[in-house]
Amino acid sequence: NAGVMQNPRHLVRRRGQEARLRCSPMKGHSHVYWYRQLPEEGLKFMVYLQKENIIDESGMPKERFSAEFPKEGPSILRIQQVVRGDSAAYFCASSPSGQAVTEAFFGQGTRLTVV
Amino acid sequence: ILNVEQSPQSLHVQEGDSTNFTCSFPSSNFYALHWYRWETAKSPEALFVMTLNGDEKKKGRISATLNTKEGYSYLYIKGSQPEDSATYLCALSNDYKLSFGAGTTVTVRA
Repeated sequence: NAGVMQNPRHLVRRRGQEARLRCSPMKGHSHVYWYRQLPEEGLKFMVYLQKENIIDESGMPKERFSAEFPKEGPSILRIQQVVRGDSAAYFCASSPSGQAVTEAFFGQGTRLTVV
Repeated sequence: ILNVEQSPQSLHVQEGDSTNFTCSFPSSNFYALHWYRWETAKSPEALFVMTLNGDEKKKGRISATLNTKEGYSYLYIKGSQPEDSATYLCALSNDYKLSFGAGTTVTVRA
């Protein structure tokens, strides 16, 4: 039973390019969360998705960032026209339910570097 | 946003010694407290989820307690081993969102 799979592990983009980060949740998990770790900061919630639905995107920057979790395939976090400040580690987590006591299982993260 | 403070930021422990560190929160207005263990280049791994004042959880040599009245949780490592070297994250949740502390990085010296 594979864990949460994220790819790529490392991504380098030039300013102005698009970054696409992929997350395949654990088998049987339909709840996906994205977190971001900026340099010298802790993990911060970005967005919560269930299949085909965005439930809470309150932690997403208002512009250039979007997320989806289609019926088939992985969840995608998309960053358009990247800037240096987007450089961070992006972590995906999944859980079997969206309750407070549920353990969230994390992937290894994608480290985005914008040059 | 749920405020979470962890201390110390880092600590060094001699192999075989026991240690503990703190997660503190100014308000007990949360439903669950989570501890994660995070090794470099790996995924954060869930250790414990606690909800009740006085909760104690144990997994091997690692245990945790929760005191919601005084606003803290302790994580204990008994007889530290080099494989315990990691960053330990504390997080609070009211729903699906986890609010993380900055972590305590533990280095166990052989």
